[in-house]
Amino acid sequence: EVQIVESGGGLVQPGGSLRLSCGASGFNFSSFAMSWVRQTPGKGLEWVAGVSGSGGRQYYADSVKGRFTISRANSKNTVDLQMTSLTVEDTAVYYCARSPHLVPDYWGQGTLVAVSS
Amino acid sequence: SYELTQPPSVSVSPGQTARITCSGETLSKRYAYWYQQKSGQAPVLVISDDTIRPSGIPERFSGSNSGTTATLTISGAQVEDEADYFCYSTDNNVNDLHLVFGGGTRLTVL
Repeated sequence: EVQIVESGGGLVQPGGSLRLSCGASGFNFSSFAMSWVRQTPGKGLEWVAGVSGSGGRQYYADSVKGRFTISRANSKNTVDLQMTSLTVEDTAVYYCARSPHLVPDYWGQGTLVAVSS
Repeated sequence: SYELTQPPSVSVSPGQTARITCSGETLSKRYAYWYQQKSGQAPVLVISDDTIRPSGIPERFSGSNSGTTATLTISGAQVEDEADYFCYSTDNNVNDLHLVFGGGTRLTVL
């Protein structure tokens, strides 16, 4: 059974940083790209970042490019999202998802990031 | 432009057919994907590659893609199908990458 669990969310001030982590099990982790997708409360979904199975290629939405960094550790079955220079517009539930060909198929339950002074 | 447009809401009675559309220029070249999200839960993939139902998804869910419009059809909608539905598509090449969700459609079944 595929299981994905996010952690690391919380309250952070504007301009601050936060690191999200995602643990996965139930599949051959290194064979799949992984993504982070966020959802603003009451609104829609926005793909944020993706990383290839090997970790050698990273992809970012224009809205986070230069501020967020995605990385993975295949030895630990984890993928992280380092977020810096956070603004109130980054407030959202952040989902980690297995993403073959950058299409999310299995999602975690999400972790809430709130950016506020 | 890399946008996917969905109607904000669709309403049907139980047993009727619900159709949710997703419009965008990229759909003429790329696959459409559909997600169901019930209140307080994570999204679930219900249609992949325009028409493919992942394992465990009921047969009443089907998808199509024609020109610039993809459609999710729920034949004989049930009360438990009440949820938000999002379409998704990709448009990637060597120089650029666009991964876009539609704005979502709230399906009411009552």
